[in-house]
Amino acid sequence: DVKVTQSSRYLVKRTGEKVFLECVQDMDHENMFWYRQDPGLGLRLIYFSYDVKMKEKGDIPEGYSVSREKKERFSLILESASTNQTSMYLCASRLGGETQYFGPGTRLLVL
Amino acid sequence: SQKIEQNSEALNIQEGKTATLTCNYTNYSPAYLQWYRQDPGRGPVFLLLIRENEKEKRKERLKVTFDTTLKQSLFHITASQPADSATYLCALAGFNKFYFGSGTKLNVKP
Repeated sequence: DVKVTQSSRYLVKRTGEKVFLECVQDMDHENMFWYRQDPGLGLRLIYFSYDVKMKEKGDIPEGYSVSREKKERFSLILESASTNQTSMYLCASRLGGETQYFGPGTRLLVL
Repeated sequence: SQKIEQNSEALNIQEGKTATLTCNYTNYSPAYLQWYRQDPGRGPVFLLLIRENEKEKRKERLKVTFDTTLKQSLFHITASQPADSATYLCALAGFNKFYFGSGTKLNVKP
């Protein structure tokens, strides 16, 4: 069974803090994605990576960075958290075919 | 970029009826389109994929149609059950990434 795990289900941080969200997949997939999901806006792509150490900006990369040092792990970094980054963050992976496999999500609250 | 529209209002139907959800898109026609199911507090789960040269795809009680002229996909659940209650998302393939709609919430009442 394919599996994508995210480090936390719920996270509460203060404005200005540096936040790390970790995603791990056990399927040897090349492509990994970070989305945020907000009511009425759907899933919006923040960053994606198609190989180790490779990254591409998605539609809303501002205020975020990513790291992919190993194939199975893709980290999302909020350099200085702000209240407008309160959201549900979803990680996904894909082999190169079409189906994306999503993690359970991390609900982040920035106070 | 691609814009995708799904009915933001919840769809309420009676158990046993057929639920029909709509996905409309603008701009270019994608090579394929997908439907996902999302339960509260969970990540989306892949259900079905339909390619641009396919008119219809079926999987058990699920059926998807794809009309590239209308730029529309319809997602049907026949003989719906309360367990089908969830939010359903459509996703269009772009270059190396997907564009997601905001989803339609389906409520199936017993």
